[in-house]
Amino acid sequence: EDQVTQSPEALRLQEGESSSLNCSYTVSGLRGLFWYRQDPGKGPEFLFTLYSAGEEKEKERLKATLTKKESFLHITAPKPEDSATYLCAARENTGFQKLVFGTGTRLLVSP
Amino acid sequence: DGGITQSPKYLFRKEGQNVTLSCEQNLNHDAMYWYRQDPGQGLRLIYYSQIVNDFQKGDIAEGYSVSREKKESFPLTVTSAQKNPTAFYLCASSIDRASEAFFGQGTRLTVV
Repeated sequence: EDQVTQSPEALRLQEGESSSLNCSYTVSGLRGLFWYRQDPGKGPEFLFTLYSAGEEKEKERLKATLTKKESFLHITAPKPEDSATYLCAARENTGFQKLVFGTGTRLLVSP
Repeated sequence: DGGITQSPKYLFRKEGQNVTLSCEQNLNHDAMYWYRQDPGQGLRLIYYSQIVNDFQKGDIAEGYSVSREKKESFPLTVTSAQKNPTAFYLCASSIDRASEAFFGQGTRLTVV
């Protein structure tokens, strides 16, 4: 069964303390790995799409990377406004090619 | 301003009632989706539509119904057959089924 697992469930950082979030997937024939940011009570906001192992994408303090089994979201020198839940989703290569979502990592950045 | 609009933001349902959640997009996207989000679980797909007048069941369609009469609109009805409807409902759209999905701001449904 296709599955996406995110770790850690929750992460607390001090402002400026860099770290990484992990997303491991078991999806046959990956057709894209997606990262979203979700603030409390809001819909997810699209961040990145990665398609092949070795691909990297950056946006401000965030960098997403992809290997054949997992993706990382690196957060460099985070600020309190980076506090949110980060969701990862893998698009499977069967049938409708639906997105399979992980349960997210709750990030809290303290000043 | 292009985007996806969900309404209402909060909805309260009495036992035995059907309620309809609205989703409108002005992004000219062909594909639209409904997801349900519960604490501690990943987003789960309820229904999806790739084109007007066509829609398919997702993983948890029981107790829900949809229509897609216009490209811009994809309303979701939560029927009385849905035994545990309290959740955060998210509508999304994408250019096609292979592209990234963009989400609305959600509707929180509570059974009273």
